[in-house]
This record gives sequence, structure tokens and C-alpha cells, in this order.
Amino acid sequence: QSVLTQPPSVSAAPGQKVTISCSGSSSNIENNYVSWYQQLPGTAPKLLIYENNKRPSGIPDRFSGSKSGTSVTLGITGLQTGDEADYYCGTWDSSLSAGVFGGGTKLTVL
Amino acid sequence: EVQLVQSGAEVKKPGESLKISCKGSGYNFPNYWIGWVRQMPGKGLEWMGIIYAGGSDTRYSPSFQGQVTISADKSISTAYLQWSSLKASDTAMYYCARQAGYCGGGNCYLDYWGQGTLVTVSS
Repeated sequence: QSVLTQPPSVSAAPGQKVTISCSGSSSNIENNYVSWYQQLPGTAPKLLIYENNKRPSGIPDRFSGSKSGTSVTLGITGLQTGDEADYYCGTWDSSLSAGVFGGGTKLTVL
Repeated sequence: EVQLVQSGAEVKKPGESLKISCKGSGYNFPNYWIGWVRQMPGKGLEWMGIIYAGGSDTRYSPSFQGQVTISADKSISTAYLQWSSLKASDTAMYYCARQAGYCGGGNCYLDYWGQGTLVTVSS
């Protein structure tokens, strides 16, 4: 059971928009910054979003992050088949004094 | 270019010890923390712990405290993850990653990742 809760899977058609939610609590998401990671099949995770809504260099603006209270959302617009991957949210948990991840969400682009 | 290169796959027996490595390049290694992440077969990411590469300050997830040891040698820009007695349940892919931000300030993210080291523990 992960500290952060994500839906196991989402799907959408190419060109469409999808959102992935991640919910937590006051000890993690609400009072700390959240990051998102993309893991393409058979590869290492890659940083997608940091500090709730910032994109590292090279990440297209099709990817966006937002936060409200104890939940965050990753948005992906203009879906491409190459976006099929597992997506994870992550943050610091002040009660555990440790980093935590969500259980991951598998994105299928139909 | 920032790179983290991990040691190769390992096959071990239960009860054996193991130390895997993660060598950083392309940045000032001692100035950053390095984190370790476990991914069991077909499962999600698990945050194991982090070490300040320029010193010995280490933080462990409660789930991994006492199960593994994280260390670093700044003179060779390398971080390590080690087990004293492996179990079959340690079979997983292990990733190292550079910790950006400051976890103590609630800003904790992993900006560059190694390629992963597959550890298989089987009798």
C-alpha cells in the first residue's frame, strides 16, 4: 500500500488530453513539493515535473502539473503513442522523514 | 552532461552479501545527495534512502532502515548500496538517482537516474 494514491490505469486516444491524479495527506503533498516521473517500458524513470509544476529542460509543454491541497494532477495534452508509460508522483513525507512515491499509473494511448 | 552509471547485474544466493555501485560524472558529485530506489518485478517505485555524497549524512525510509546500508566515496564520485545477508525478496531492479532540491525543506526530487542494476537472489 503506497502512501500516495494513484489510479492504476488511464487511457485516451491519440491527440486527446488525459489527467492522472495523486492524492496524499498533510504530511506529504499538502506541505511539500511534488514531482512526477515517466517510466517508459524497460527503461529507468525520468523526471517530468518538479516543484509541483516546473518542467526540466527538454520536457515539452504538453506535460503540466498542478496542486490543490492534498492532491496533485499531471496533465498530458496532444497524446502520442510514445507517451505510453508508467507515471509516478513523488514527494517528501514529513512524518516518515522519507521520500514516498505513488503506486504508479499505466497510461495507454488507444 | 550529468551521468550516473551503475554496476552490472548480479545473481546471488540467499545469505550472501552484495555491494552495488553508482558512479557520477558531469557535475560536482560531493555537492549533491544520491538516492536509491527499488523496483520489484512488475511493481512500482520505492524510495529507499539518500546520502549526502560529500559527507556521511544518510536518511533511510523506515521500510529499509536496518535492511541495507548506503555509503559514498567522494574521492571516486561513487555511491554504494549494500546488503549483508540477501533474501529472495531482495530480487529487484535498483536505481540510483541524483537528489535535487533539499529534502529537509520539503523539496525532494530525483533529477538524473542511473540505468539500474538488476539483483537476482535465488538458491
